[in-house]
Amino acid sequence: QEQLVESGGGLVKPGGSLRLSCTASGFTFSDDYISWIRQAPGKGLEWVSDISSGGNYRNYADSVKGRFTISRDNAKKSLYLEMNSLRVEDTGVYYCAREKFVSGNTCGMDVWGQGTTVTVSS
Amino acid sequence: SYEMTQPPSVSVSPGQIATITCSGDKLDETYVSWYQQKPGQSPVLVIYQDDKRPSGIPERFSGSNSGNTATLTISGTQAMDEADYYCQVWDSSTYVFGTGTKVSVL
Repeated sequence: QEQLVESGGGLVKPGGSLRLSCTASGFTFSDDYISWIRQAPGKGLEWVSDISSGGNYRNYADSVKGRFTISRDNAKKSLYLEMNSLRVEDTGVYYCAREKFVSGNTCGMDVWGQGTTVTVSS
Repeated sequence: SYEMTQPPSVSVSPGQIATITCSGDKLDETYVSWYQQKPGQSPVLVIYQDDKRPSGIPERFSGSNSGNTATLTISGTQAMDEADYYCQVWDSSTYVFGTGTKVSVL
């Protein structure tokens, strides 16, 4: 079945760095845009970043612009999120999710991973 | 940046209709998706392009979008529908989620 699996979360001190990974299976990874979405403890969903199917286009939320970098390796069916200058407010569960489009119109995010937890604390 | 507001909570009796609203400026000029998230689980897409249901989503879930308000309706609400619900739009190459609504089935 179509699946995304995140990894790489952990405990890091403020100002530190972390690299998250997301590995796909069950679908043609190279066909789709993929997003990172996060959720702080007890809070709502916040979109973080996405990347086009070929990796040429990348978008970021203002809250992470200049600190986070999204990338992908289609041969490895993998997505990455390099997080630098981490802040306490970056703490939360990070999900990757597949974006679907039809004729250029969004059809939402139809496949989500189980999430990986990032804790930024001294 | 674009913002969308949802009521923090909605309570419904089993078998009744639950209505969850999502408000944003000129919301009907874009497509709205809805997600269901149960405690400790990942979000699940339940409505896309305002009113379309992905395969596997029960018919009791329906959506609409008019003016500044999008609405998710759960008809014949069941105990298993108790969850948080989020609206979402795609605006200027970024995604925006609503503030979220906790649906309680009492």
